[in-house]
Amino acid sequence: SAVISQKPSRDICQRGTSLTIQCQVDSQVTMMFWYRQQPGQSLTLIATANQGSEATYESGFVIDKFPISRPNLTFSTLTVSNMSPEDSSIYLCSVALGTRSGELFFGEGSRLTVL
Amino acid sequence: KNEVEQSPQNLTAQEGEFITINCSYSVGISALHWLQQHPGGGIVSLFMLSSGKKKHGRLIATINIQEKHSSLHITASHPRDSAVYICAIISNFGNEKLTFGTGTRLTIIP
Repeated sequence: SAVISQKPSRDICQRGTSLTIQCQVDSQVTMMFWYRQQPGQSLTLIATANQGSEATYESGFVIDKFPISRPNLTFSTLTVSNMSPEDSSIYLCSVALGTRSGELFFGEGSRLTVL
Repeated sequence: KNEVEQSPQNLTAQEGEFITINCSYSVGISALHWLQQHPGGGIVSLFMLSSGKKKHGRLIATINIQEKHSSLHITASHPRDSAVYICAIISNFGNEKLTFGTGTRLTIIP
């Protein structure tokens, strides 16, 4: 199994600022995933963070807006840059043990409100 | 049409009732996950299925690959079961991306 510590759990931010979310896993994993869940919506994959290489971003998400770091096999950060009220969402990190078809583990989520 | 459809969107029931949440999908899959999201936003994986049926405590998950349908059942429901239940599939085509349903909000009244 895997235990994921994600922080901050929630924050209220001002328009135009940036916030970095941290995700720490208690075991080494190859891929870490970052998701966004807008109010009332389902989860949308932002990017896949691979250790030692650039993150792979999904359509509609760009590195300038959501820069990701993955310095080692247990840690990743997602930054939400130049925030606007439309960025108010829950952001979650996730890992899958083995392949993507393996068991899933999620962080507790970071609920961001942008004023 | 979404690849993953869940029903109902919202469900309110009395404590003790038997609960069924349905998930239908439109593509071939390698696995299907049932997830539970608590009010704070955290998500817990309940089941991963590729065939048949799994049981864990009061929770039962079934899948019919031919009919592209899965169900999550909760027996003897309890207020602590109140959460959003999300079905997610991994297609067996392409990059094995997870596709999520929009969730079923379950409220169990004492």
